[in-house]
Amino acid sequence: EAGVTQSPTHLIKTRGQQATLRCSPISGHTSVYWYQQALGLGLQFLLWYDEGEERNRGNFPPRFSGRQFPNYSSELNVNALELEDSALYLCASSLPGNNSPLHFGNGTRLTVT
Amino acid sequence: GIQVEQSPPDLILQEGANSTLRCNFSDSVNNLQWFHQNPWGQLINLFYIPSGTKQNGRLSATTVATERYSLLYISSSQTTDSGVYFCAVELGFQKLVFGTGTRLLVSP
Repeated sequence: EAGVTQSPTHLIKTRGQQATLRCSPISGHTSVYWYQQALGLGLQFLLWYDEGEERNRGNFPPRFSGRQFPNYSSELNVNALELEDSALYLCASSLPGNNSPLHFGNGTRLTVT
Repeated sequence: GIQVEQSPPDLILQEGANSTLRCNFSDSVNNLQWFHQNPWGQLINLFYIPSGTKQNGRLSATTVATERYSLLYISSSQTTDSGVYFCAVELGFQKLVFGTGTRLLVSP
């Protein structure tokens, strides 16, 4: 079974640009989660999508947004990039329901210069 | 908000040694997971353990939800066990709050 796949692996952008990160969940998983892991910080919850809808959002400004497509894949968009947005962005997926463990992808490392 | 603290923050072991990592959380939670982040950043789900004890090879975990802590045991450690170990607690709306992490280095 293929795991959660994320692309690109690495992304380098300059301040003010936009970044788009992509995630494909495990087959059969309808929930997709996005996390940010900045240098020296723990994993911070960004967004949760389920069945195409945004279900929950972490404490991030509106320039962090995303969507989930009918095939349950997801995009994370970061507008007006700032230097402190440099981080590892991890996507996870799970089966529907409250008691489903999360499975993580390998992440996208975003560097903003 | 809920606080999730892990100890120790850093741990250095000789290959073959055993260790116990601890995760304390400040409020009732729906579920708890342990993850291993390897040196390449990949995050791997180790245990999904809201309560009780589970074992998987050299690893085992115990969660005592009433006392708000969980333990991860690593026996006969190997160099491939190196990395950061996170516990994460699940609140409502499937939001995972991650602990501060334990950085483990296993030397040959």
